[in-house]
This record gives sequence, C-alpha cells and structure tokens, in this order.
Amino acid sequence: DAGITQSPRYKITETGRQVTLMCHQTWSHSYMFWYRQDLGHGLRLIYYSAAADITDKGEVPDGYVVSRSKTENFPLTLESATRSQTSVYFCASGVGGSSYNEQFFGPGTRLTVL
Amino acid sequence: SQQGEEDPQALSIQEGENATMNCSYKTSINNLQWYRQNSGRGLVHLILIRSNEREKHSGRLRVTLDTSKKSSSLLITASRAADTASYFCATANYNQGGKLIFGQGTELSVKP
Repeated sequence: DAGITQSPRYKITETGRQVTLMCHQTWSHSYMFWYRQDLGHGLRLIYYSAAADITDKGEVPDGYVVSRSKTENFPLTLESATRSQTSVYFCASGVGGSSYNEQFFGPGTRLTVL
Repeated sequence: SQQGEEDPQALSIQEGENATMNCSYKTSINNLQWYRQNSGRGLVHLILIRSNEREKHSGRLRVTLDTSKKSSSLLITASRAADTASYFCATANYNQGGKLIFGQGTELSVKP
C-alpha cells in the first residue's frame, strides 16, 4: 500500500547502544523529515532531506545521524543512545518547495532508552 | 525555539458545541497549516492557509489568518466525539525550504 511507514513501532534499548529507526515512503516525495515529540516541547525537527544525498540539520540534531541514499528511505541513527533521547519519533514526507508543503506523517516509533 | 504557540493548551466541550483554537507565531510566514493527532498516531494534515488569504473553509473547519497580528484560529463547528484529538499549527517560510515549525498543540476533548 502507498504511504509512509516506520519501523520498528516500539523499541527499548540501553544507554550507549546504537539504534536505527527506519522510514520508508512510496510517494516519491522529495522531502523527508524526522521529528521527535516530547511532552512540553511539541514536535521538534531533528533532520530533514530535500532529495537523495541532501540532508540538513533541524532544531535538535545533536546525537543523531541521517542518510538518504534512495529517495524512498530516510533512516535515523542514534549513534550512542542516551536517556534524553527517549521520545516518540515521527518521520514525514512532502513535496516541499516553494508553493505547497503539506507533510504526511508516519505512525511513529516509541523509543525508550534505559 | 517554537514558532507557534497555541491557546488554549487544553479544551473540553460538549458534542455539538463549537471549538476554537488559536495559534500565534513570531516571524514572517508563507503559509500556516493545521494538523490533527489522534492519541498514539501520527499527525494528519487538515488545512493550509497562505499568507495572502484571510479565511479558508473545509467542511466543518474554518481557519482564519491575521498576518498583522501574527495569529491564526481554527474553528471546528458542531463538534463530535470523534474530533477528540490534539491540534497543532505549523508555519512555513519558503526561505527555510520545506521545513515546518510546529506549535505545542491544543488538546481537545469532546464529550458525548
């Protein structure tokens, strides 16, 4: 089915471990985004990508790494997880550009770092 | 820092009543969008209003934008229990590419 999917949906890990969250979209949207959602902070942009092989930092990029070798995939890696990275992570995609940038969100990944 | 700030943070109404949520922002924008999030789910786009528009309708939704006051409001008329969700405004400035900046949201509870 067309859409945007995230995996895993739930993840529990330990401090210091590397974790990769996957995001896949079938619309061939140019733009893809990673957000984290925390109580009291709303949605904050971690990284985004305007096209394959083009990525840029958002508001809270420290401790995260992204790559985008294919248009449809945008994995987010926590290189050494910390407790402060416990959050719900949302991937989104969109046409982007200068005229119309509605974003389509995945279902989220709930990450707990112990 | 968050661009949008929403008011109220929480709103509880009875079915059939209207719900109004407000969003204020700080810098110039090209468009403002409203999203809805049901508990445990991702956000869903509701409506987009461009900076040169003042009002827009979509079904039971009415959005207004006042760029001089840097504020927007979302009105849901004849609310239903199924409207219970969190509602977020998000602003876009094309100079910042495809990025949106989200507010912290209004939690709406519609009691049957």
